[in-house]
Amino acid sequence: QKEVEQDPGPLSVPEGAIVSLNCTYSNSAFQYFMWYRQYSRKGPELLMYTYSSGNKEDGRFTAQVDKSSKYISLFIRDSQPSDSATYLCAMMDSSYKLIFGSGTRLLVRP
Amino acid sequence: DSGVTQTPKHLITATGQRVTLRCSPRSGDLSVYWYQQSLDQGLQFLIQYYNGEERAKGNILERFSAQQFPDLHSELNLSSLELGDSALYFCASSQGSNSPLHFGNGTRLTVT
Repeated sequence: QKEVEQDPGPLSVPEGAIVSLNCTYSNSAFQYFMWYRQYSRKGPELLMYTYSSGNKEDGRFTAQVDKSSKYISLFIRDSQPSDSATYLCAMMDSSYKLIFGSGTRLLVRP
Repeated sequence: DSGVTQTPKHLITATGQRVTLRCSPRSGDLSVYWYQQSLDQGLQFLIQYYNGEERAKGNILERFSAQQFPDLHSELNLSSLELGDSALYFCASSQGSNSPLHFGNGTRLTVT
């Protein structure tokens, strides 16, 4: 079993839709949670960083962490074609290794 | 632009050869990480350095080695290359151990 599970998609939505991306994890020692966006042939770009359960909002993006369920989510409001990319969740424990999910491909149709 | 610089962008070499990938972290960042990304494996953590010292090790092969220099730039050395080593190699940096990582745009290695 992988430490971090993420549905690979692809997820296809119309422009303007609310997108929900999710990851589950098995290691209860994970303390820090991140979401990255990766465009083709580019490096992952940090979108959100959080270390506590609850919600964190930044513009059209909301990150949600539920440590009791070992479940994290990223919501994208008013999705745009430019949001089409692969979204990677990532988690870090006290050893400071950052473990990534396999990524979800998102396609926002105009 | 993340501020992390990786060179070269592309590298094509033959099996059995040795290559060196270079990374300059963001200004002020003390930690450098190396990741390998291939189509079937996703992003795999290789190794982390903090201020010149090895901090954490992932699934790094014995044929691979890395170091971080006093000016904080880092190099990843890959030797006795095999076809399966073809991948994107990313460097990332962070201010400290539990700070978020910022990635460069990677070096695409093709082994023929």
